Formats: sequence, structure tokens, C-alpha cells
Amino acid sequence: AQTVTQSQPEMSVQEAETVTLSCTYDTSESNYYLFWYKQPPSRQMILVIRQEAYKQQNATENRFSVNFQKAAKSFSLKISDSQLGDTAMYFCAFISTSGSRLTFGEGTQLTVNP
Amino acid sequence: GAGVSQTPSNKVTEKGKYVELRCDPISGHTALYWYRQSLGQGPEFLIYFQGTGAADDSGLPNDRFFAVRPEGSVSTLKIQRTERGDSAVYLCASSLNDARTDTQYFGPGTRLTVL
Repeated sequence: AQTVTQSQPEMSVQEAETVTLSCTYDTSESNYYLFWYKQPPSRQMILVIRQEAYKQQNATENRFSVNFQKAAKSFSLKISDSQLGDTAMYFCAFISTSGSRLTFGEGTQLTVNP
Repeated sequence: GAGVSQTPSNKVTEKGKYVELRCDPISGHTALYWYRQSLGQGPEFLIYFQGTGAADDSGLPNDRFFAVRPEGSVSTLKIQRTERGDSAVYLCASSLNDARTDTQYFGPGTRLTVL
């Protein structure tokens, strides 16, 4: 069974600064996908970024980038130039290419302060 | 186009009652998923449909929970004899085809409160 761990329940950052959210996972699978989802108070789970395990290059989406360390089973999210609208709960998630379900971490509540 | 929609947004019921939660996936998406999110936790998988059939229902907690997708589009999650422990946000997601490679897009969820 796969597990996903987010060791930071809460984090805060000043507007325009950079913040990194941590995620580790455990799996015996060799091929899989990793995701970061954002969940604001509206409850809508919004995809932030996606990484395919067989790709060495770290995924980037505008201000969001990941540091994917496959050997260490680590998948951190870096948010640059933080904005007030980035305030939300962030979830790291895993799916194996042999499965169908997403496995989520416990979440990190990020607050961006003005 | 429209995203995943779920109705109702909120549902309050009494212990022992029956409830139905509806999910309308993104048009053309063949895969549909239900997750349950308890307060302060990440979502947990309940069931996955590919077309009309339940391809994986191993996440359903017990036989009080049942889901259908009769025409391969809209899905209904049904909970019989509700218990206070069923209180949670129920999230629906859909993906284009293959659950293993296609990104899942989520709806806003239904908050179920069992009194």
C-alpha cells in the first residue's frame, strides 16, 4: 500500500516571498504520478501541478514548481512570489500506474500574509 | 466547458435516514470517482467507475454505502441508515479515460451532516 506524508500541518509566508511545502511518499511501484492539489475554503480541489515519475525534469507551472527526488521519495512544492490568493490547504497525492485511486497526504494549511 | 458539479452542496439529515448524493462529471469523461474527506484530513477513496460499471469499490466502508452510474454519466452515492460517523465532505472527481494516467478533476463536494 502507498502512503503519503506531509509533515507540516501549517505554514505561513509573506506576500511576494517564496515558500516550500514538503511531501514524502512510500511505494514499491516503479512508475506513478504525483500531484499537488489546492483546496481553498470553497472546498473545490484544484490541480496545481503534476509530475510523472519516469520524467527526470521537475514540473513547472508559472509560479509553482516541484523538486522531485525519486530515490528519496520526496516531492516538494515551491511557490514563488506568493499571492494572497494562494492561501489554501495544499494536498500532495500519489497514483500508481497499476491502480486507480489517488492517495492523499494529510494536507498543509498555507497562509499568505499581506 | 463546465466542471464537475455536485448536488446538494450541503445536506443535513438525522441518524438512521437514507441520503443520495449526486455527481455530474465533465462531459465526455468516462472515469468517475468518489472520495470522502473528514474534517482536517485528506480525501479517502471510496469507489471508481469506468463507464457504467464499478471498476473498484474496495474503498466503500460497509454495505450501507452504494453507488451507481446507470448511463455512464451522472453518478449517485447512496447511504442507508446514516450514522453520525458518516458526517464528512463527499467529493466526486472525473477523468477523461484511464484512471492511471489522466488527471482527476474534482467537484466542490457535498457536505453531509448527520445529527
